[in-house]
Order: sequence, then C-alpha cells, then structure tokens
Amino acid sequence: NAGVTQTPKFQVLKTGQSMTLQCAQDMNHNSMYWYRQDPGMGLRLIYYSASEGTTDKGEVPNGYNVSRLNKREFSLRLESAAPSQTSVYFCASRGVRSHNEQFFGPGTRLTVL
Amino acid sequence: QKEVEQDPGPLSVPEGAIVSLNCTYSNSAFQYFMWYRQYSRKGPELLMYTYSSGNKEDGRFTAQVDKSSKYISLFIRDSQPSDSATYLCAMRPSGYSTLTFGKGTMLLVSP
Repeated sequence: NAGVTQTPKFQVLKTGQSMTLQCAQDMNHNSMYWYRQDPGMGLRLIYYSASEGTTDKGEVPNGYNVSRLNKREFSLRLESAAPSQTSVYFCASRGVRSHNEQFFGPGTRLTVL
Repeated sequence: QKEVEQDPGPLSVPEGAIVSLNCTYSNSAFQYFMWYRQYSRKGPELLMYTYSSGNKEDGRFTAQVDKSSKYISLFIRDSQPSDSATYLCAMRPSGYSTLTFGKGTMLLVSP
C-alpha cells in the first residue's frame, strides 16, 4: 500500500496563476482532509470530506476549492494564487475503523511569487 | 485565546534525558487526545492517542490527560537522537471527525 500520495511535491507559481493539488489514498478511507502548515501557525484545516460526495469548509477555506472525485481522490484547487498561499500543503485520510488516526501524505511545498 | 496552546520550543536535551511535552486547551468538549510526530520535511504520523482522562504507555512514550486542568502531556524516556522531531498535540470532541492541532514543539536530542 502506498498510503496517501500527493502530487506535485514542489511547485512555484506566479501571482494569479491557478493550479490543482492532487491527493489519493489506497486505504479505502471514507474521510479526507486538506491542511496547510505555516511556520508559527501549525496545521490548519482548509477543507475536508467526511465521505464521498460531501465537502465542508475548515478553518481557512478562502481562496481554495476542493473536489472529492471519488472515494480515493480529493483535490485542492487554487483559482488565483496569492503570495499568502505560500505554504506546505498536506492531505490526510481517515477510515471508520481507524478511530482518531489521520494518515498524512508527504506534502506539497508551494511557493507563490 | 487559541483553543490549543503549545510551546514551540525548540527544546534541547542530551541523549538519555526524560522529555516532557505539554499542551493546554480551552474547549471542555474535547474528549480524544493525540500526539503526532513530524520529522523535517515529512508528514505528521500518529504517535499515541488517549480517550478522556488517564495515562497510556507505549514503550518509551507515555501520554497523560488531565481534563480537570485541561492539560495533556507526552513523556519520552531515555530520549534518542532519532526522537528529534516536531511533536504536535491534537484533539477533538466526541462525534467530530476534524482535529484541532497545537502549533507543535520542536525537540532536539543531542548525542
């Protein structure tokens, strides 16, 4: 099992450009999450999907959109990137039987110039 | 006031020391408490979780929850250089699927 995979690993964008961060899990988990991690700010939840077909806003959703494409895949889109969105983005998933354990991907390092 | 407070460190200790990492929280509805370990440039991984108050031990690691004080701790015995990482506390109320994280404490264990 690959667990949670994220692509790309690194990305540099110019202000105003758009891009989609991809996340996939092969653990048959129902719930998936997108976080951003910034120095001094910790992990902050952007959006989550409790199950296929549902999405909900987290703590910092502005400037982002998400799509739960199917049970395996959950993508995060930046429509018009801003320097404030420079961050490390983590995707995570959680299964019904895994209690509180969220499994995290390796992260995407995004720089917006 | 943030819901979860955690000293960012860094906390530097010599190999073999006992390490104490702590978080305080304000939401009395939190019932599930977790510690995640994050190595540099990696994703967080679950280290331990505890439900409600009490202690839980796993090898060199012990997690404690004191709900009356809204205070949780992670103790690491016989610390090793491989324990050098950032430790994040996380918690949630019963029935919720989302976690509230502390900002993380960076731990450095020197040989």
